[in-house]
Amino acid sequence: DTAVSQTPKYLVTQMGNDKSIKCEQNLGHDTMYWYKQDSKKFLKIMFSYNNKELIINETVPNRFSPKSPDKAHLNLHINSLELGDSAVYFCASSQLDFTDTQYFGPGTRLTVL
Amino acid sequence: KNEVEQSPQNLTAQEGEFITINCSYSVGISALHWLQQHPGGGIVSLFMLSSGKKKHGRLIATINIQEKHSSLHITASHPRDSAVYICAVGGSGGSNYKLTFGKGTLLTVNP
Repeated sequence: DTAVSQTPKYLVTQMGNDKSIKCEQNLGHDTMYWYKQDSKKFLKIMFSYNNKELIINETVPNRFSPKSPDKAHLNLHINSLELGDSAVYFCASSQLDFTDTQYFGPGTRLTVL
Repeated sequence: KNEVEQSPQNLTAQEGEFITINCSYSVGISALHWLQQHPGGGIVSLFMLSSGKKKHGRLIATINIQEKHSSLHITASHPRDSAVYICAVGGSGGSNYKLTFGKGTLLTVNP
C-alpha cells in the first residue's frame, strides 16, 4: 500500500502540449505539496495545499495549475509546456505543515522535447 | 529569504567510517528536515528536528538553533548509505507551509 503515489512515473511530450500529473495520498494528511527538482538535483517548492486550499504559490508561472478535488488528491496540470519545464516533479504530504514528517511520492520525470 | 548551505557537496568514505554532513541556514526557523534521496530517485525523510538531537539506528541528527546549524552523522557507514542527503528548513518568513532546501550532499561509501 503506497502512502503517496504519483502517475505517470515518466512523461515525454512535445513543446506546447498540455499534460497532467496526478498525486494521491492515503495517509489522511491535511497538507499536500508539489516540488520541482531540476537537472542539478535542486529541490524547490511549487505549491502547498492545506485541506484543498492553496496556501503557497511559490512564483510558479500561470501555466502550472494545481487542483485539489479533495484533501487526498493534488493534481498538477501544465499548459503550453516549455523545454525548461523538464524536471522531476515530486508530490508530498504531511499531517499539518512542515513541522511534521514529509512523505514523498516516487516522482514524475517530465521530459519536454 | 532563507539561505541553506550544506557541506561538503561531495563526500567519499570507506566502509566503516564515521560521516558528518553539515547544514547552515541564515534565518531563524521552526523546524529542520534531513532527507535521503536514493540513486533510484526516491526521497525519504530521515529526521525532523526543532531542537536537540535525534537518533535512529546508525543515524544521528543534531541542531543548534542559536548557531543556525545542524549536523547529520552516520556511524559505521555502509555502501548502502550511498545517497544524496538533503537539508531543508521551514518556518522562516512566517510560513508554516514552505520548505527551503539545501543543494544536497552526495555521499559515496566504498566497500
